[in-house]
Amino acid sequence: DQQVKQNSPSLSVQEGRISILNCDYTNSMFDYFLWYKKYPAEGPTFLISISSIKDKNEDGRFTVFLNKSAKHLSLHIVPSQPGDSAVYFCAASVGGSQGNLIFGKGTKLSVKP
Amino acid sequence: EPEVTQTPSHQVTQMGQEVILRCVPISNHLYFYWYRQILGQKVEFLVSFYNNEISEKSEIFDDQFSVERPDGSNFTLKIRSTKLEDSAMYFCASSEYGYRNQPQHFGDGTRLSIL
Repeated sequence: DQQVKQNSPSLSVQEGRISILNCDYTNSMFDYFLWYKKYPAEGPTFLISISSIKDKNEDGRFTVFLNKSAKHLSLHIVPSQPGDSAVYFCAASVGGSQGNLIFGKGTKLSVKP
Repeated sequence: EPEVTQTPSHQVTQMGQEVILRCVPISNHLYFYWYRQILGQKVEFLVSFYNNEISEKSEIFDDQFSVERPDGSNFTLKIRSTKLEDSAMYFCASSEYGYRNQPQHFGDGTRLSIL
């Protein structure tokens, strides 16, 4: 049961370039999507979110794009910095729910100086 | 910046024993959650809690599990009789009341090891 899929377990990017992390979902009832960053031995840290009524949300270096017809979202980090190296989780919630986040397996991003 | 705190950071318990994991959510938050992550697997939802009662729970959250808000600040997860397969990282999270689309903020987790 993989309602939220992150098909790339890892991604390596040069400092200063763009990082693009992808996420696909299967449940058309999802109406809120989030990206979290996680360092080892820490909990997930909220990065950015997007409601299903939007197709783009931007916060500083981070932009999330949502393509509802393709059931696909992506996180763009521009420019990438070595401190961005972490595991990135995509998560989604079902309409009407205050909780029950469904997480992807994560993508490990390495930003090389 | 306010944060969710969890104690202990690591708990080692014999199989069959009871364990209580503790969390202090962000002070103005009213929705509380527990998730777990078994090594190498996804973060999985266990339970959500609002207004002193369970809002939603997953299939994982069976009769061995319970949650409680014993006072105005703590939120606990109790596992009554632990099994080997309960070994995991347990994350507490909280979110604000009043806005449907509010992010959940997570603590750093408790690593539970069942021997």
